[in-house]
Amino acid sequence: SQTIHQWPATLVQPVGSPLSLECTVEGTSNPNLYWYRQAAGRGLQLLFYSVGIGQISSEVPQNLSASRPQDRQFILSSKKLLLSDSGFYLCAAEGEGRNEQFFGPGTRLTVL
Amino acid sequence: AQTVTQSQPEMSVQEAETVTLSCTYDTSESDYYLFWYKQPPSRQMILVIRQEAYKQQNATENRFSVNFQKAAKSFSLKISDSQLGDAAMYFCAYRRTGTASKLTFGTGTRLQVTL
Repeated sequence: SQTIHQWPATLVQPVGSPLSLECTVEGTSNPNLYWYRQAAGRGLQLLFYSVGIGQISSEVPQNLSASRPQDRQFILSSKKLLLSDSGFYLCAAEGEGRNEQFFGPGTRLTVL
Repeated sequence: AQTVTQSQPEMSVQEAETVTLSCTYDTSESDYYLFWYKQPPSRQMILVIRQEAYKQQNATENRFSVNFQKAAKSFSLKISDSQLGDAAMYFCAYRRTGTASKLTFGTGTRLQVTL
């Protein structure tokens, strides 16, 4: 079975600072990878997804970007954080040929 | 665009009793997937159960089962013999078929389990 790691678990950053959140996957190859954001008390919103190395699709135009430098590594970045970037960020992976997404433990980001 | 609606913001159930969480969705697709995820206080999303739209048989996973009514676009979750550990937010989610497709989530139902 696949395991999804995310770090850091918690992050407090000032407005205007850069961001890098990392997600790595074990136990599957060629996964589809997803970044979701969850605002307090709400459901999840898809930010980016990737079907392979270097292939990134954006769902919502925003202050964030994503990259996939390796098959099982997915990175969420920002050059300058905004207050509105605060939230809970979840990485999800979908095994090759599968239709169910499994989630990592998430990163709680607070922008002050 | 697909939408998922969970009309019960909060539900409560006594330990060992049965509770049903409601979910409706809107889609023009004929084939798709539906899921229930559990989010405990740790906030990690845990897959509880999945249903493939082309299958008429309702999915079951131990104490968890669904009532899938395709024509009514309804997908409810039944939890039998509720346990304290079942207390969490429960999200209904929809996924189109295809190579890579996002999950569209409802707003969630908070389930409390009382003694």
